[in-house]
Amino acid sequence: DAGVTQSPTHLIKTRGQQVTLRCSPKSGHDTVSWYQQALGQGPQFIFQYYEEEERQRGNFPDRFSGHQFPNYSSELNVNALLLGDSALYLCASSLRAAGIGGNQPQHFGDGTRLSIL
Amino acid sequence: SQQGEEDPQALSIQEGENATMNCSYKTSINNLQWYRQNSGRGLVHLILIRSNEREKHSGRLRVTLDTSKKSSSLLITASRAADTASYFCATDNQAGTALIFGKGTTLSVSS
Repeated sequence: DAGVTQSPTHLIKTRGQQVTLRCSPKSGHDTVSWYQQALGQGPQFIFQYYEEEERQRGNFPDRFSGHQFPNYSSELNVNALLLGDSALYLCASSLRAAGIGGNQPQHFGDGTRLSIL
Repeated sequence: SQQGEEDPQALSIQEGENATMNCSYKTSINNLQWYRQNSGRGLVHLILIRSNEREKHSGRLRVTLDTSKKSSSLLITASRAADTASYFCATDNQAGTALIFGKGTTLSVSS
């Protein structure tokens, strides 16, 4: 039973560039949430996708956008990268029918480490 | 913004000792969860406790919740070196759709 998989594992970009991160949810899950974790901090919620639509968004600028595909996989796009975007980006999946996000355990991938030079 | 705050920020103990981590939060909650994160890895769910529960056990883990004090604690008994990790508490956001994490407690267990 495959868990949450994220790609790539590491990425180095320069300021102003654009990046796309990918996530495949745990088998049987239909909801994907993205989190940003800066060094030494807890994860911060970016947004959540369900039925191919953004359902909830945290306090992140429009430079952060996403997509969910019919097979429930998801992408996180960040435009005009800033030094402050350097972080571990985590994807979490869950099953909507089992309860909404805070009411059930979230299954996390190992993340993509994004470094901005 | 962070909802939960863990205390202490760092904890160092010997194998076999118990480790206690505390979490305080600001607003009323429906659920509180604890997660573990090994260095450079994703988060692993440990326990979910609902607002109408006071205590929950899972193996060597015991979680308590005091909604009147807006606080929770995670107790790991008979710690092992493999318990070395960061531990985070997380509460649900207002819409109940996402998690709000604290900054975590870094636990080091030496053999």
